[in-house]
Amino acid sequence: GQQVMQIPQYQHVQEGEDFTTYCNSSTTLSNIQWYKQRPGGHPVFLIQLVKSGEVKKQKRLTFQFGEAKKNSSLHITATQTTDVGTYFCAGSGSNDYKLSFGAGTTVTVRA
Amino acid sequence: GAGVSQSPSNKVTEKGKDVELRCDPISGHTALYWYRQSLGQGLEFLIYFQGNSAPDKSGLPSDRFSAERTGGSVSTLTIQRTQQEDSAVYLCASSWAPNQPQHFGDGTRLSIL
Repeated sequence: GQQVMQIPQYQHVQEGEDFTTYCNSSTTLSNIQWYKQRPGGHPVFLIQLVKSGEVKKQKRLTFQFGEAKKNSSLHITATQTTDVGTYFCAGSGSNDYKLSFGAGTTVTVRA
Repeated sequence: GAGVSQSPSNKVTEKGKDVELRCDPISGHTALYWYRQSLGQGLEFLIYFQGNSAPDKSGLPSDRFSAERTGGSVSTLTIQRTQQEDSAVYLCASSWAPNQPQHFGDGTRLSIL
């Protein structure tokens, strides 16, 4: 099955700054998904990427899928306190039935 | 309901007791997943159902753990002879097909005394 690595594990950000979290797979993925889990909450689906080189934006969040479909990134601009939480990437291969979740990047914001 | 429903939301029990956790997925979702999440940790895959079948039980930590799904809908996760290391949040998720976006329930927080 897939193995998905996510870095960094923790990200401490000054409010207003930008940051990026990265996701890497040992094998080619058919799709990659991103989830956000607020403290005390459950993971919530953010977005799915399926095409090589695909870039999608949601307000201040930019998601990218690598050309080789083995890596992905989430870039957040002008971080706000509402961005606090853990961001998980999850990928699957074309013949997989389950997602392999990364360990997550936990984001804290200094006001 | 509109989302994935899990019950109970919290469960405190004594070591050695059996517990049963319930998941009611979104109507029409054929794929159902159970995960375990310890405090501050990632998601540990336990089991996957496609319809009523469980093609992958590889994530179940021991033979004390079992799960079933009936009518292609509700699923129960049973833990027998609970141990303190079983303490965690147990999350259920469903999706309309494998590999598609998963919708998570609020989880059951299990505490073993």
